[in-house]
Amino acid sequence: EAGVAQSPRYKIIEKRQSVAFWCNPISGHATLYWYQQILGQGPKLLIQFQNNGVVDDSQLPKDRFSAERLKGVDSTLKIQPAKLEDSAVYLCASSLVLWGLAKTDTQYFGPGTRLTVL
Amino acid sequence: GNSVTQMEGPVTLSEEAFLTINCTYTATGYPSLFWYVQYPGEGLQLLLKATKADDKGSNKGFEATYRKETTSFHLEKGSVQVSDSAVYFCALSDSAGNQFYFGTGTSLTVIP
Repeated sequence: EAGVAQSPRYKIIEKRQSVAFWCNPISGHATLYWYQQILGQGPKLLIQFQNNGVVDDSQLPKDRFSAERLKGVDSTLKIQPAKLEDSAVYLCASSLVLWGLAKTDTQYFGPGTRLTVL
Repeated sequence: GNSVTQMEGPVTLSEEAFLTINCTYTATGYPSLFWYVQYPGEGLQLLLKATKADDKGSNKGFEATYRKETTSFHLEKGSVQVSDSAVYFCALSDSAGNQFYFGTGTSLTVIP
């Protein structure tokens, strides 16, 4: 079984530029998560999708971050414009079960995209 | 609000030593608790989990018991190996399963 795929693995941009990250979850997984992991901290959940609908985006800085999950499969996370404090690893994860049951389900993580904003 | 507090690292142990990594949590309702591990160069992966009070999760010789009275989920292993060197994250999901909270991670290095 293929794991969660993410690209690119590394990205370096100047502040105020835009950047997009892509995630392909495990086939058949209904729930998809985007996390931000700043160096020295644990992952922080930004947004959670069930199929192609948003379950929770309360931690997403919506003035500059956006995310979508078209057709309930792949997802993209965009930052526009980027700030220095956005430097972090962006993790995508997926889980099999639907919202409401997800609290006990295993999340499978991708390798992450390391973003450096100069 | 919900949160997870982990003991700070890094932790360095000799092979076959006993390991404890402390984790305490703050949550309303009945959260589920997890330990995730990140080996060098790899992504996060689930190590074990417990979904209700007094449950014990176990995997690869690691154990953790969900203690509601002390709001703790400490990770233990009786005899660590060099291959256990990794960063360990304690995490919880809230009662509704909408929000997940991770601790800051504890780096473990096991030396031969």
